[in-house]
Amino acid sequence: EAGVAQSPRYKIIEKRQSVAFWCNPISGHATLYWYQQILGQGPKLLIQFQNNGVVDDSQLPKDRFSAERLKGVDSTLKIQPAKLEDSAVYLCASSLDHYGYTFGSGTRLTVV
Amino acid sequence: GESVGLHLPTLSVQEGDNSIINCAYSNSASDYFIWYKQESGKGPQFIIDIRSNMDKRQGQRVTVLLNKTVKHLSLQIAATQPGDSAVYFCAALGAGNMLTFGGGTRLMVKP
Repeated sequence: EAGVAQSPRYKIIEKRQSVAFWCNPISGHATLYWYQQILGQGPKLLIQFQNNGVVDDSQLPKDRFSAERLKGVDSTLKIQPAKLEDSAVYLCASSLDHYGYTFGSGTRLTVV
Repeated sequence: GESVGLHLPTLSVQEGDNSIINCAYSNSASDYFIWYKQESGKGPQFIIDIRSNMDKRQGQRVTVLLNKTVKHLSLQIAATQPGDSAVYFCAALGAGNMLTFGGGTRLMVKP
């Protein structure tokens, strides 16, 4: 079974620039999650999709972050404009039900 | 200004010894718990899970213990190997089926 694919693996941008991350979940997984993991901390949920609908985005800083999951498969997470404190690893995960999460390897974002 | 991440607690063990990693949770409504292993440059990897109607669950070289009275979870790794070196996170499934992660513990295995 192919895992959760994420790209790019690394990204370095200047503050105030924009950036986008892409995630392709495991085939058939209806639920998709984006997490932010700051260095030295556990992952923090940003947004949860069920198919192409948002289930929870209460932790998403909506003034600068946006996410979409068109057609209920791939998803993109965008940051515009980026701030220094957005430097983190952005993890995508998918699950068939709520008990079987699989994480991708993440995108490491550095904002300078 | 500069932002510094939290310093992860570290557990250092000798190869072959048993490791015990602890986790406390706050939401008594959580009914499902998972331990994850995260190696450098990789996403969290599932190790073992336990539901709130159980006190103990065993896997291959790993055991999870759940004490709901004090809201405490532990992961025991038997005969720890160098390949076990990683950061370990506990996570709890709570309201809205959201998975909430703890701060993590870095396990270092000395050969």
